[in-house]
Amino acid sequence: DTAVSQTPKYLVTQMGNDKSIKCEQNLGHDTMYWYKQDSKKFLKIMFSYNNKELIINETVPNRFSPKSPDKAHLNLHINSLELGDSAVYFCASSSRGADYNEQFFGPGTRLTVL
Amino acid sequence: AQTVTQSQPEMSVQEAETVTLSCTYDTSESDYYLFWYKQPPSRQMILVIRQEAYKQQNATENRFSVNFQKAAKSFSLKISDSQLGDAAMYFCAYRSAVVGNEKLTFGTGTRLTIIP
Repeated sequence: DTAVSQTPKYLVTQMGNDKSIKCEQNLGHDTMYWYKQDSKKFLKIMFSYNNKELIINETVPNRFSPKSPDKAHLNLHINSLELGDSAVYFCASSSRGADYNEQFFGPGTRLTVL
Repeated sequence: AQTVTQSQPEMSVQEAETVTLSCTYDTSESDYYLFWYKQPPSRQMILVIRQEAYKQQNATENRFSVNFQKAAKSFSLKISDSQLGDAAMYFCAYRSAVVGNEKLTFGTGTRLTIIP
């Protein structure tokens, strides 16, 4: 009964390829997020969706395109992968209006670009 | 824009002792939320404790407590009776109370080592 799941957990690919990471939450939340954790462990917001609508886009290169087909899913597609895209990508979800609007995180996807 | 600063990249503590991790933040908002997350080697992000800015009482969760000083914009985490399982990266995070700006802004983290 995983709350926030991501696939795949590990992704190794060559520079220039296109790849996708999928995220699903079964918590009934209306808001989902993508965060990037770099090699120095720094975590930074990339995108946020509320009810399938993009509400935060934090100056991410347009090679990154999020897609939210429904409230329970938020996918991240990355075109023309670069070495600097190597990182751990976390999906999270929360419920607007809930106590503290606590964010629940997925297990992360470690992306390695060779 | 809000910023979060954790000035201790690494800390260590003897098992069963108490350790305090520091966090300061900068904001012009009056209402917001503060969190401490733990990230063990499994890399899962685990919420440790949370505090709402308008609540003066410091939050406590079992062995974890915070010292929230709103005027000083300080939000430190105290871990009592440290256990080996507490070894992890600890991140302080800020979230605005403004609807539509629910993102978490993280500090750079503190790596906590527990000495047996």
